Amino acid sequence: QVQLQESGPGLVKPSETLSLTCNVSGDSMNSYYWSWIRQPPGKGLEWIGYIYYSGSTNYNPSLKSRVTISVDTSKKQFSLKLSSVTAADTAVYFCARGAAGTDRLDYWGQGTLVTVSS
Amino acid sequence: AIRITQSPSSLSASTGDRVTITCRASQGISSYLAWFQQKPGKAPKLLIYAASTLQSGVPSRFSGSGSGTDFTLTISCLQSEDFATYYCQQYYDYPRTFGQGTKVEIK
Repeated sequence: QVQLQESGPGLVKPSETLSLTCNVSGDSMNSYYWSWIRQPPGKGLEWIGYIYYSGSTNYNPSLKSRVTISVDTSKKQFSLKLSSVTAADTAVYFCARGAAGTDRLDYWGQGTLVTVSS
Repeated sequence: AIRITQSPSSLSASTGDRVTITCRASQGISSYLAWFQQKPGKAPKLLIYAASTLQSGVPSRFSGSGSGTDFTLTISCLQSEDFATYYCQQYYDYPRTFGQGTKVEIK
């Protein structure tokens, strides 16, 4: 059974960089897309972007200038960095696996709340 | 970006009811549409992909249909554990986009 688990600081100051890691267990990272999605409190879902296991990326244009997603398949983890954060970046951040071939999101982490506040 | 308009935004229903939720894409997305169920404080759970294919382990009372721009999620006989928020998502083009969600509440 594939499991994903997010980790990282729950509080980030405005203008700083949000950094999260997702640890993957139960399957290889090969041939899959590894995604980040976020959900502001009480609101809907926003796709942030993905990294393919080989390292190619695709980001949401609304965040592209501030986002970096990286992968370390030897450690079975991938990471999100979001720079210059503001209160609008406060959200639950989910990591998820995109199925081979289509990147449909078939397994998700439980999510981690990141609050941007001084 | 492809806009996904989901309706209704909320509905009230009783156990045993048949429930239908729709998503309309701003342009054709073939069958590249998924449906998710989300309960409070939990991650979304994939129910249906490719518009009509049931994800493994999902009860058969859930079904999906449509292609192009118009899609439907149907719950044939609502159970107590189905009260949740449902989202559709297109994975035809970038950026991937979600509908606004439909909250299914107890009548």
